[in-house]
Amino acid sequence: DAKTTQPNSMESNEEEPVHLPCNHSTISGTDYIHWYRQLPSQGPEYVIHGLTSNVNNRMASLAIAEDRKSSTLILHRATLRDAAVYYCIPYIIQGAQKLVFGQGTRLTINP
Amino acid sequence: DAGITQSPRHKVTETGTPVTLRCHQTENHRYMYWYRQDPGHGLRLIHYSYGVKDTDKGEVSDGYSVSRSKTEDFLLTLESATSSQTSVYFCATARENTEAFFGQGTRLTVV
Repeated sequence: DAKTTQPNSMESNEEEPVHLPCNHSTISGTDYIHWYRQLPSQGPEYVIHGLTSNVNNRMASLAIAEDRKSSTLILHRATLRDAAVYYCIPYIIQGAQKLVFGQGTRLTINP
Repeated sequence: DAGITQSPRHKVTETGTPVTLRCHQTENHRYMYWYRQDPGHGLRLIHYSYGVKDTDKGEVSDGYSVSRSKTEDFLLTLESATSSQTSVYFCATARENTEAFFGQGTRLTVV
């Protein structure tokens, strides 16, 4: 299984952009990169995913390095509701489609 | 979300008793997962399923068994509950290479 490295915690201010990094140097060529977040006292929720190209959706943007060994989740304008633990996960789609969480980054948003 | 129901939502049981947690989905998703989350920690994969009667072990499968006799139900069984299995258990489902959806969690206390 590919391993990920994320900062344990990050802090930002409301209405400012946030860049959450993730290293996944052992990712295989067919693994997608998924990002999930977990708000306090809730189950995880999907944020975004991609394979090689940068991706955008209503929640965030995902920038994937050309060598695919790292990616960055971008929250363009953080709100207090974005305070959560963010998980970067190489999604093994071959065969059993295993989904394994790492430790994630705890994001604090200051008002 | 995605029609996932975990039952029960809360349970207190005694050490040594068998316990079964149920995850029910209405979306016909092929993949299903069971995780546990302990205070201050990330999610750890217990078992997962990639089809009816197709299951495999995750990171922390000792003391747990699963069954999936039909697409919509994925059962997690603690054959003989121990205090170390006190945790919050999350179920998740997914289609082929798309995002996973998580249930609201089951809080299990073993006394």
